[in-house]
Amino acid sequence: QVQLVQSGAEVKKPGDSVKLSCKTSGYTFTIYYMHWVRQAPGQGLEWMGIINPDIGNTNYAQKFKGRVTMTRDSSTSTVYMELSSLRSEDTAVYYCARDANSYSMDVWGQGTTVIVSS
Amino acid sequence: SYELTQPPSVSVSPRQTARITCSGDALPQRPAYWYQQKPGQAPVLVIYKDTERPSGIPERFSGSSSGTTVTLTISGVQAEDEADYYCQSVDHSGTYWVFGGGTKLTVL
Repeated sequence: QVQLVQSGAEVKKPGDSVKLSCKTSGYTFTIYYMHWVRQAPGQGLEWMGIINPDIGNTNYAQKFKGRVTMTRDSSTSTVYMELSSLRSEDTAVYYCARDANSYSMDVWGQGTTVIVSS
Repeated sequence: SYELTQPPSVSVSPRQTARITCSGDALPQRPAYWYQQKPGQAPVLVIYKDTERPSGIPERFSGSSSGTTVTLTISGVQAEDEADYYCQSVDHSGTYWVFGGGTKLTVL
């Protein structure tokens, strides 16, 4: 079955960077784009960006341009999301979510909690 | 930036019908999607392309569209439907994805 398994929780200090992983299985990695979505405590879902695992091109939400980098490793069917210059407002659960080839997200990872605190 | 607007909360009694709206000026041209999220869980897609229901989603979930507003309807609401619901679409250019602010459905 299709699975997205995300890396474990992180605790970072303001100004640090964090790199999260999302390992995929159960489907052809290069066919489906991958989104990253975050959710701050008690808040709604926020789209961060999307990566094409085939050729690696990306599209980031305006809010995160300059701070986010999405990459992939086709040899391990894993996508990564790195967020730099962390601040307390980046404390959130970060999800990877597979694009269903129709502007929607049909399979989600379990989420990774990132806490940014001094 | 493009926004989708949802009511913060909707309350309904069991076995009644719940309707959750989502407004955005690109919705006449762009499809909408709905996700259900229960506490501590990842979102689950319940409606795609305005009106389609993924396999495994109960028939009581349906979607509709009229102009700049899309609506998620849950007929015969059950206690297990209590959750947060998010609409999602893309902007006019199809470049950026966006979520509505979410609606908390309370089953009285």
